[in-house]
Amino acid sequence: DVKVTQSSRYLVKRTGEKVFLECVQDMDHENMFWYRQDPGLGLRLIYFSYDVKMKEKGDIPEGYSVSREKKERFSLILESASTNQTSMYLCASSKAGNTDTQYFGPGTRLTVL
Amino acid sequence: AQSVTQLDSHVSVSEGTPVLLRCNYSSSYSPSLFWYVQHPNKGLQLLLKYTSAATLVKGINGFEAEFKKSETSFHLTKPSAHMSDAAEYFCVVSEPTGFQKLVFGTGTRLLVSP
Repeated sequence: DVKVTQSSRYLVKRTGEKVFLECVQDMDHENMFWYRQDPGLGLRLIYFSYDVKMKEKGDIPEGYSVSREKKERFSLILESASTNQTSMYLCASSKAGNTDTQYFGPGTRLTVL
Repeated sequence: AQSVTQLDSHVSVSEGTPVLLRCNYSSSYSPSLFWYVQHPNKGLQLLLKYTSAATLVKGINGFEAEFKKSETSFHLTKPSAHMSDAAEYFCVVSEPTGFQKLVFGTGTRLLVSP
């Protein structure tokens, strides 16, 4: 079974803090993704990566950055957290050439106060 | 650009009755379409996908969806709802660009009452 794990299920941070969300997959997938999920908006793609050290902006990259130093790990970074970044963050992975079948982690619910 | 519209934000059914979750898509190409399900406190799971083979697609847990090009629809159905089907369901289209990005609908929450 593919397993995608996220470092925290719930996180509470203060405005202006630097926040790291970590994601690890154990199936040697080339592609990894970060989404945010908000009620009534579905999932929106923040960033994705198709290889180590490679990254591409998604639909809403502003205020976020990512890091992929190892194939199995993809980190989402909020350089200076703001209240409008309070959301559910979902990580996903997929095999190269098969980006449509993605495997999702359980999500991290981030609250920025 | 590809897009999907889920016509209902909430659907309520009784256990044992049929389920219909509606989805319309917009695409300039022959689309790949998917339904994902998200149970409470769980990640999204692929329910089924259509990739231009048979228009009637069978998925897990008794769900199926029919691709209707003339109606640009991809509705999800199940003959008999079970309590465990209560979840949020997302209709998704894949953009056939160099990197096939998934475009998600806004979701339909299915409520199942005893």
